[in-house]
Amino acid sequence: SQTIHQWPATLVQPVGSPLSLECTVEGTSNPNLYWYRQAAGRGLQLLFYSVGIGQISSEVPQNLSASRPQDRQFILSSKKLLLSDSGFYLCAWSDGASEKLFFGSGTQLSVL
Amino acid sequence: RKEVEQDPGPFNVPEGATVAFNCTYSNSASQSFFWYRQDCRKEPKLLMSVYSSGNEDGRFTAQLNRASQYISLLIRDSKLSDSATYLCVVKIRGGSQGNLIFGKGTKLSVKP
Repeated sequence: SQTIHQWPATLVQPVGSPLSLECTVEGTSNPNLYWYRQAAGRGLQLLFYSVGIGQISSEVPQNLSASRPQDRQFILSSKKLLLSDSGFYLCAWSDGASEKLFFGSGTQLSVL
Repeated sequence: RKEVEQDPGPFNVPEGATVAFNCTYSNSASQSFFWYRQDCRKEPKLLMSVYSSGNEDGRFTAQLNRASQYISLLIRDSKLSDSATYLCVVKIRGGSQGNLIFGKGTKLSVKP
């Protein structure tokens, strides 16, 4: 069966510090991968998605970036965090054929 | 106008009650519809897809009205464990892989 791992679960970072969140998927190959952010009182916002290694599409311009160095690995990064980057970050995957998304357990990021 | 709108609630209902949530969408090119459930500080999980003819899964019934551009979720015989936020999700036809639009969710609280 397929599983998705995302870490860390919580993170407190000072403004201006770098960020690296990692997500891996097991039990499937060539998944579509996604990074979402859920800010307090707001819906899920798609940040990045990837349909293959090295292929990244950005939905929202911001100081975040994403990379997919391996088929089942998706990384969200920032060189300098802003207060507005605080939120609940969720990695997700789909098999491309199905429209269903399967989410990781999320990272609660607080930028102080 | 927001693309996917939901009543944020909270809906406070006693155990055993029947409760219904509505969701409206603005894009007539919407082709697929889903309900996700999200527990507090957890990841969203797919509850059920919504089919044109309506569909049922145990105590849960989902319906779609394309003419009026809304979908609904009915929960019968509410359980304490149904307490969660219910997210309405719409997929837009065509476009990129990242074309799932999430509502902000409706919060349900089932009381003993």
